[in-house]
Amino acid sequence: DSGVTQTPKHLITATGQRVTLRCSPRSGDLSVYWYQQSLDQGLQFLIQYYNGEERAKGNILERFSAQQFPDLHSELNLSSLELGDSALYFCASSVLQGNTGELFFGEGSRLTVL
Amino acid sequence: QKEVEQDPGPLSVPEGAIVSLNCTYSNSAFQYFMWYRQYSRKGPELLMYTYSSGNKEDGRFTAQVDKSSKYISLFIRDSQPSDSATYLCAIGEGSNYKLTFGKGTLLTVNP
Repeated sequence: DSGVTQTPKHLITATGQRVTLRCSPRSGDLSVYWYQQSLDQGLQFLIQYYNGEERAKGNILERFSAQQFPDLHSELNLSSLELGDSALYFCASSVLQGNTGELFFGEGSRLTVL
Repeated sequence: QKEVEQDPGPLSVPEGAIVSLNCTYSNSAFQYFMWYRQYSRKGPELLMYTYSSGNKEDGRFTAQVDKSSKYISLFIRDSQPSDSATYLCAIGEGSNYKLTFGKGTLLTVNP
């Protein structure tokens, strides 16, 4: 158990809909990362937050947005969903400062768009 | 050219074999190099990391980095069925630890 909690584990929805994925980082970790994993693209970095502020942005679509709340949990919002958005979405956390670079991953949220 | 290239396999070996997994990368700015292991239906977990060229050993695992060739490897000695998983190389730069992952190599070790 990495200590990172993601909900929901599975989600099935229709095209055009909006979903919210939630992540609780490990206790004490200030940095949260979101990754998307699909068979053809592998694990793709979406966005990073550190202590409530956006720190780095990757290949995140404009239809997607994220935020990190004062209690450090994070949410990834996916809107106007398309079939191609079906994937595993992982949240990871780290201490960032003085870190070896280890990211602790949750078990992921599997999104299926029909 | 993708920033990180990794042969997806799959790779199937008998128990006790030596396994070699490899990645190449294109960005000279990359500073740290990691291998993650991902079991089916689980999130990736860090296996090994290194910041410099050369070898780093941890038990049955050896990570090798050649910055001049932009090539990293993971060797698994005396492979066990419990090593069956997807192995992802991850490479990063800067203080944010924004990692770029390879697509992963699926390894099966047969008893």
